[in-house]
Amino acid sequence: EPEVTQTPSHQVTQMGQEVILRCVPISNHLYFYWYRQILGQKVEFLVSFYNNEISEKSEIFDDQFSVERPDGSNFTLKIRSTKLEDSAMYFCAIKGAGPTDTQYFGPGTRLTVL
Amino acid sequence: AQSVTQLDSHVSVSEGTPVLLRCNYSSSYSPSLFWYVQHPNKGLQLLLKYTSAATLVKGINGFEAEFKKSETSFHLTKPSAHMSDAAEYFCVVSDPKSGGSNYKLTFGKGTLLTVNP
Repeated sequence: EPEVTQTPSHQVTQMGQEVILRCVPISNHLYFYWYRQILGQKVEFLVSFYNNEISEKSEIFDDQFSVERPDGSNFTLKIRSTKLEDSAMYFCAIKGAGPTDTQYFGPGTRLTVL
Repeated sequence: AQSVTQLDSHVSVSEGTPVLLRCNYSSSYSPSLFWYVQHPNKGLQLLLKYTSAATLVKGINGFEAEFKKSETSFHLTKPSAHMSDAAEYFCVVSDPKSGGSNYKLTFGKGTLLTVNP
């Protein structure tokens, strides 16, 4: 099973501050995803990233959010001006090229906005 | 559009008894279906997946699921529950995006499995 690490494991920030969540896949994959899970709710798709560009984004993924692969390995999610409702667990996932390849998830980053 | 309904938000069983976690899906295309498990304060781990091969899928830790197209169901079962099975279980569906390949996952709301000694 491919290994995916995420940093930090827990981030506490003040409302209005910018945060960057990082995902580091240990192996080469083509598809990258961010999902989030607000406490007590289901896991929701945020964005998918393929061939160095966004391939799909959800309604949640508004202008406050951005993603990039700055150095070909890290995959980052930036929230420009955090809101209280951004508090959630954020999961990164990776997937290979095959249509039936599994998405493997990282351990998540718990973001707390105060 | 794809969606998943997990019929029970909470299932409680005794150790050594069978487990049944129910899932129904809705999909416009030929879906891939997954069960992921989340232990407390942990990430999401794949239990098993169905990708249009055998309809009875075996996963890790003795779990299995059967894809029934006529019933649009993908229920998760285990013959004998263990204390370590206590966790949240998510039924997940994935469809290729029309005209492209995106494979985003749509999660059910989850079923919390409690195992009593």
